[in-house]
Amino acid sequence: AQSVAQPEDQVNVAEGNPLTVKCTYSVSGNPYLFWYVQYPNRGLQFLLKYITGDNLVKGSYGFEAEFNKSQTSFHLKKPSALVSDSALYFCAVRDRDTGGFKTIFGAGTRLFVKA
Amino acid sequence: GAVVSQHPSWVICKSGTSVKIECRSLDFQATTMFWYRQFPKQSLMLMATSNEGSKATYEQGVEKDKFLINHASLTLSTLTVTSAHPEDSSFYICSAGDRDNEQFFGPGTRLTVL
Repeated sequence: AQSVAQPEDQVNVAEGNPLTVKCTYSVSGNPYLFWYVQYPNRGLQFLLKYITGDNLVKGSYGFEAEFNKSQTSFHLKKPSALVSDSALYFCAVRDRDTGGFKTIFGAGTRLFVKA
Repeated sequence: GAVVSQHPSWVICKSGTSVKIECRSLDFQATTMFWYRQFPKQSLMLMATSNEGSKATYEQGVEKDKFLINHASLTLSTLTVTSAHPEDSSFYICSAGDRDNEQFFGPGTRLTVL
């Protein structure tokens, strides 16, 4: 069975500082991994995904994430946070071998960037 | 990129009425569509998966007679919440998958049942 854990309900960071939003996953096969961002009363916006290849994935708005197979992690990072990055972030996983399209989401982490 | 639309974006209805939400893939054909619901400050919970022309597959705990899903064409899926009650109030999000195994999300529909 697939599962995703985002251990932090909220992350607080000062503008200009680096940010990390943590994610660990569990799948029986090989994973597709995703990060999405959600603003209030809006749908999900795609940030980045890991399919195969380079473990460091670069995405939209300066975000990146590193796939670590041994630690089954896919933490989201950004070198310098902006106030406008404040939003709800979801990590998601799909089991490419058995899951088809079925995507499982983590509980979400609220990022708060203070000016 | 591919665009998925939902209509309406928000709806308020009386308890006991039925509400239909549409999900459309605007510039691609969606072989599979998904319906999620999201309670305030919570994650997206997959409700059901629908493939064009066949019956939807519901997740455990989701009442198929309560949440009717129709996927009559490769660009349209509908979710009908039958006999809605206040506990059905939620944010409903659809997503559509294309032939390359990419998944695209709609903007969501906020349902409020009075």
